[in-house]
Amino acid sequence: GQNIDQPTEMTATEGAIVQINCTYQTSGFNGLFWYQQHAGEAPTFLSYNVLDGLEEKGRFSSFLSRSKGYSYLLLKELQMKDSASYLCAVRDNNAGNMLTFGGGTRLMVKP
Amino acid sequence: ETGVTQTPRHLVMGMTNKKSLKCEQHLGHNAMYWYKQSAKKPLELMFVYSLEERVENNSVPSRFSPECPNSSHLFLHLHTLQPEDSALYLCASSQEPSGGADEQFFGPGTRLTVL
Repeated sequence: GQNIDQPTEMTATEGAIVQINCTYQTSGFNGLFWYQQHAGEAPTFLSYNVLDGLEEKGRFSSFLSRSKGYSYLLLKELQMKDSASYLCAVRDNNAGNMLTFGGGTRLMVKP
Repeated sequence: ETGVTQTPRHLVMGMTNKKSLKCEQHLGHNAMYWYKQSAKKPLELMFVYSLEERVENNSVPSRFSPECPNSSHLFLHLHTLQPEDSALYLCASSQEPSGGADEQFFGPGTRLTVL
């Protein structure tokens, strides 16, 4: 089975930087995804990591360390609209390449 | 229409009712998924279809019955549900359930309440 942990809630200030961590345990790691989900809306894809290192996409970056079973999502220059849940999901090739999701981190951005 | 659509957006049903959720994707994808999202719980994968064949059934009770008549449409038939089945049911699609940066695209979900 898989175990994916991320903090339940975080609060940050507009304009600041926030890092959301995700740790996982899986037998057949085959990629890690981050999704954003605003309340009452569908999750939307943010980033994908399969090799170690940092992937940057505008204000959002995602980091992966496979040896540590660890990833983080970094959000810079926070905006009020970044208030949402951020879901970490791991793909396991021992589970038909299906995604297993963490519980999500609810981020609140305050003025 | 573009993306992944789901109907209805909200559904209230009694435990003895029979209803169906519908999902349609306009992305030309080969794989479709049903997920359940309950309050304070992770997204749970329920069913996966690839090229209209079921490839995954994640130990879901038989009161949930999926149907995939073609690669663009997916249904979830519901009967004799329990109050604990109340949740947001999300449909997703992807090119195929394989490796690579093959992200899933989600529909807006159906908010189901079982009385």
